[in-house]
Amino acid sequence: GAVVSQHPSWVICKSGTSVKIECRSLDFQATTMFWYRQFPKQSLMLMATSNEGSKATYEQGVEKDKFLINHASLTLSTLTVTSAHPEDSSFYICSARAVLAKNIQYFGAGTRLSVL
Amino acid sequence: AQRVTQPEKLLSVFKGAPVELKCNYSYSGSPELFWYVQYSRQRLQLLLRHISRESIKGFTADLNKGETSFHLKKPFAQEEDSAMYYCALGGNTGKLIFGQGTTLQVKP
Repeated sequence: GAVVSQHPSWVICKSGTSVKIECRSLDFQATTMFWYRQFPKQSLMLMATSNEGSKATYEQGVEKDKFLINHASLTLSTLTVTSAHPEDSSFYICSARAVLAKNIQYFGAGTRLSVL
Repeated sequence: AQRVTQPEKLLSVFKGAPVELKCNYSYSGSPELFWYVQYSRQRLQLLLRHISRESIKGFTADLNKGETSFHLKKPFAQEEDSAMYYCALGGNTGKLIFGQGTTLQVKP
């Protein structure tokens, strides 16, 4: 079946540094990938939609200069948290949608970011 | 406004009992509804979509447009069904809107 790999699974960084998270679709091509944020015991909050070869579309209230998204190929999207601060500590999850599979998303295992 | 509501944060039942996880939605167009499940320490995975009208792991869900509901049901709960369940709404944009999730706890 469709597998989405997300790396790293856990990262700790110092305040002010940048962190890059990768999301790869391993056995299918994903024209669209999505980035979510999940707070403890809460639902997934969509941050942005990433389309291959074009600029990401950010949800209201999400700072695009803070959360840089690149979708350079049909199998890879990256999320870079720039100048991270403790309030950015969270669980970040990516998902990928296969071509022609309109609303079906396959999820990565998530990345736990802890900013000290 | 597009919205998904799961009124119960926690549903606790005994093994063998029937289960119904509630989901209501608000959407002006033609919705596509899903149930996703997240087992302990695993990633979110698709359980059901309303278009398929299938039964997965004994679970079924029927879209009721009159009541704007998509409740998830299983006649006899098993301990391995214990997990977090999310109802999700997909529209024309391809985005998914998730409900708050319901933790299902099946006691032995």
